[in-house]
Amino acid sequence: DQQVKQNSPSLSVQEGRISILNCDYTNSMFDYFLWYKKYPAEGPTFLISISSIKDKNEDGRFTVFLNKSAKHLSLHIVPSQPGDSAVYFCAASTGYSSASKIIFGSGTRLSIRP
Amino acid sequence: KAGVTQTPRYLIKTRGQQVTLSCSPISGHRSVSWYQQTPGQGLQFLFEYFSETQRNKGNFPGRFSGRQFSNSRSEMNVSTLELGDSALYLCASSLGDRGARGLYEQYFGPGTRLTVT
Repeated sequence: DQQVKQNSPSLSVQEGRISILNCDYTNSMFDYFLWYKKYPAEGPTFLISISSIKDKNEDGRFTVFLNKSAKHLSLHIVPSQPGDSAVYFCAASTGYSSASKIIFGSGTRLSIRP
Repeated sequence: KAGVTQTPRYLIKTRGQQVTLSCSPISGHRSVSWYQQTPGQGLQFLFEYFSETQRNKGNFPGRFSGRQFSNSRSEMNVSTLELGDSALYLCASSLGDRGARGLYEQYFGPGTRLTVT
């Protein structure tokens, strides 16, 4: 049972336009969400996170939106650049206790075309 | 600050053998987590170690085990290897203390690619 789902395995966006990556979750107890970016032959890199008490968090070109009622979050990249081509993983966790673990989605491969 | 390092980077083993993977976290990080990545499955959580104790465990069989040393370095062991164990094994470190940033903002190593034949 996948608690964190990224239903689009791949996405192609033109350079300079907005990239929107989506993620759905089923566990209403999740209260902290993260996005990671992964290049080939490297480990994932933390990108941005959001707590469930917020509905938006912005960091430069990256903005994460959280819609708790829909159990949906999205990552917006504006403007998209060639270096953004990578696999993006959405992740979620419950609580702030040390017993919490992070559940990852299966990833979306983003390709930025010139 | 040096990043998370994992050794070896690549490994080929045969069914039935055992394997040990090593992870050195970022200096000052006390939590080390291990993940298995297979095509289409994303990252599956194996276990987390904090201050030499296993603090959390995923849904993997007992053939998968780990430990953490006093310097926070961690090893993962897989015994009686099966073909399905072929995957990229990722290690991630974090501060590990309470609070979202300390717990969840993990820094990953490049992984060990294990192939079981």
